[in-house]
Amino acid sequence: SQQGEEDPQALSIQEGENATMNCSYKTSINNLQWYRQNSGRGLVHLILIRSNEREKHSGRLRVTLDTSKKSSSLLITASRAADTASYFCATDARDTNAGKSTFGDGTTLTVKP
Amino acid sequence: DVKVTQSSRYLVKRTGEKVFLECVQDMDHENMFWYRQDPGLGLRLIYFSYDVKMKEKGDIPEGYSVSREKKERFSLILESASTNQTSMYLCASTGAPYGYTFGSGTRLTVV
Repeated sequence: SQQGEEDPQALSIQEGENATMNCSYKTSINNLQWYRQNSGRGLVHLILIRSNEREKHSGRLRVTLDTSKKSSSLLITASRAADTASYFCATDARDTNAGKSTFGDGTTLTVKP
Repeated sequence: DVKVTQSSRYLVKRTGEKVFLECVQDMDHENMFWYRQDPGLGLRLIYFSYDVKMKEKGDIPEGYSVSREKKERFSLILESASTNQTSMYLCASTGAPYGYTFGSGTRLTVV
């Protein structure tokens, strides 16, 4: 089974609202990454947060990591129609080869203009 | 701008054909990966490689093989294509700090 699981599976919001997606995982990790995938395209790396970090920002993105709960959240503030995409979390687990990440099934975000 | 380039965006092949999917990266990364992506199944790792001529099986290697003769190139081979290998194939590479760079994907249809 997948190491990371995103929640919700699908999210629909209006432009300007904030979008929050969650990721839960099962084993200890070195880091956790978030990716975006536009329809029919490859994934684009958004942000990486290490296991000793609790929060990270990049533009309108805010990622938190709670290793005690084995969970992470991705917040997109002031969403735009162009943010419509699928978002995936991926974990680099401590007991696997470094650099080999496991991906969740993704959250599909729709931002309505 | 760093890049992972997959040779084809769309590919249609016949059942039983030998299929080559090529991936080239220009970032001097040691680590390269092949995934397939299917609706409802997420990304599943087929094979990965940590060095030239080195390969390791991922979660679903059956029916596939790989080749890494040069650091920048990682090829996925479907020995005898079958309809259940119709999928989106994604190549990725990674170096420190271990964020992946993906190619644009190859949508393969086996008829």
